Amino acid sequence: AQSVSQHNHHVILSEAASLELGCNYSYGGTVNLFWYVQYPGQHLQLLLKYFSGDPLVKGIKGFEAEFIKSKFSFNLRKPSVQWSDTAEYFCAGDRGSQGNLIFGKGTKLSVKP
Amino acid sequence: GAGVSQSPRYKVAKRGQDVALRCDPISGHVSLFWYQQALGQGPEFLTYFQNEAQLDKSGLPSDRFFAERPEGSVSTLKIQRTQQEDSAVYLCASSVSWGAGNTIYFGEGSWLTVV
Repeated sequence: AQSVSQHNHHVILSEAASLELGCNYSYGGTVNLFWYVQYPGQHLQLLLKYFSGDPLVKGIKGFEAEFIKSKFSFNLRKPSVQWSDTAEYFCAGDRGSQGNLIFGKGTKLSVKP
Repeated sequence: GAGVSQSPRYKVAKRGQDVALRCDPISGHVSLFWYQQALGQGPEFLTYFQNEAQLDKSGLPSDRFFAERPEGSVSTLKIQRTQQEDSAVYLCASSVSWGAGNTIYFGEGSWLTVV
C-alpha cells in the first residue's frame, strides 16, 4: 500500500540552525512528492513539489528538498531557520491518478528566537 | 474569492446531531477534495469531485458521511448522526484540473467538535 512517513514528530531548533526533516515514501511507479507547511492558525500551503527531472527542488522561503530514489526519501532542508519558520510541516505524495494526496503525520518545528 | 473558503470555521455538535460543512473552491477549479484531519495526524482523504461528478468516495468512513457538488462549484460535506470520533478538522481543497502533479490548494478547515 502507498504510504508516506515522517520520522520526527517535534523538532526544536535555535534561530540560524540548519534544518532537515525526514520523509520516506512507499510507492510503486511514478512518484510525485510535495511538502506543505501549516503556520499556526493558517491553512496548508505548498512549499515545493517534485515531479521529475532535477532531484533537488527549490521552494519558497529558502526551503529545498532532495528526491533520492534509492532511499525512497524526500527530505526537506533549510540552511538557516528563522523564528517565523515555526510551523507544522507535512510531506505528501500522489495517491492514484486523480491528483489526490497521501500525507505523512507531520513534523512540528519550533524555532527559538 | 482568492482562496478556498470554508464555513463554518468552528462547529460544536451534540452527539446524534446532523452537520453540514460548506466549501467554496477557487473559481474555475475543476477538482475538489475533502480531507479529515484528526488531532496530531496528517490529513486523510475522504472524497474527490471532478466538476459535479463524485469520482472517488473511498475515504468516507461510514455511510453517515455524504458529500455533494451539484453544480460543479460549491460543495457540502454532510455528517449524519454525529459521533465523538467524528471530531476533527475537515479540510476542503481544490485544483485547477485533474491529474497527478497539480497543485492542490487548501482551505482553513472546519473544526468539528462532537460533545
